[in-house]
Amino acid sequence: GAGVSQSPSNKVTEKGKDVELRCDPISGHTALYWYRQRLGQGLEFLIYFQGNSAPDKSGLPSDRFSAERTGESVSTLTIQRTQQEDSAVYLCASSRPLAGTYNEQFFGPGTRLTVL
Amino acid sequence: AQSVTQLGSHVSVSEGALVLLRCNYSSSVPPYLFWYVQYPNQGLQLLLKYTSAATLVKGINGFEAEFKKSETSFHLTKPSAHMSDAAEYFCAVSVGRFGNEKLTFGTGTRLTIIP
Repeated sequence: GAGVSQSPSNKVTEKGKDVELRCDPISGHTALYWYRQRLGQGLEFLIYFQGNSAPDKSGLPSDRFSAERTGESVSTLTIQRTQQEDSAVYLCASSRPLAGTYNEQFFGPGTRLTVL
Repeated sequence: AQSVTQLGSHVSVSEGALVLLRCNYSSSVPPYLFWYVQYPNQGLQLLLKYTSAATLVKGINGFEAEFKKSETSFHLTKPSAHMSDAAEYFCAVSVGRFGNEKLTFGTGTRLTIIP
């Protein structure tokens, strides 16, 4: 079936503008994660949604970052008043948690954000 | 909190030679450990995982990794490198319930294969 999709694949914006990044998880996957990969660094966890539970927002770097998820489908990551240090590849992953076992996170291709 | 350290941001090996990519972790509870591979212009792909079963884990494309608690290591190996192995490799740790929570990644190791 289809994998995790993200849009846009590339986004160039000016400092101070708001951006929205979209993630479509694999159908049936109740868990959804956002990560950020800055140049030369590893992936940083941003936020985690699991079903109807309150999201784990512990990785969001500032209050300029927010994310929403509609039910168990699409998620949108919003960055307000973008700064140059927000330039990175933003990766989305989804999984289908089953009790008592590990469930692989499947990653999308990412959105490359460049803030000028 | 958990963390991962990958020694060597760049590793070069000759085709046919042993591949060894190093990963050490820090965790206060038994961890779940993973290796992911990222080929050029592609998304992350799970290579293998340790989830408290066998300490020697075999993955795709001939890779394997051994969990050594005493050394807090989870090094990735492949006996004979192939040109198609050129990629970036990430070690990751999770301590969430059943490993379903957030992953903490290392900074990655870029593997170059010399013909």
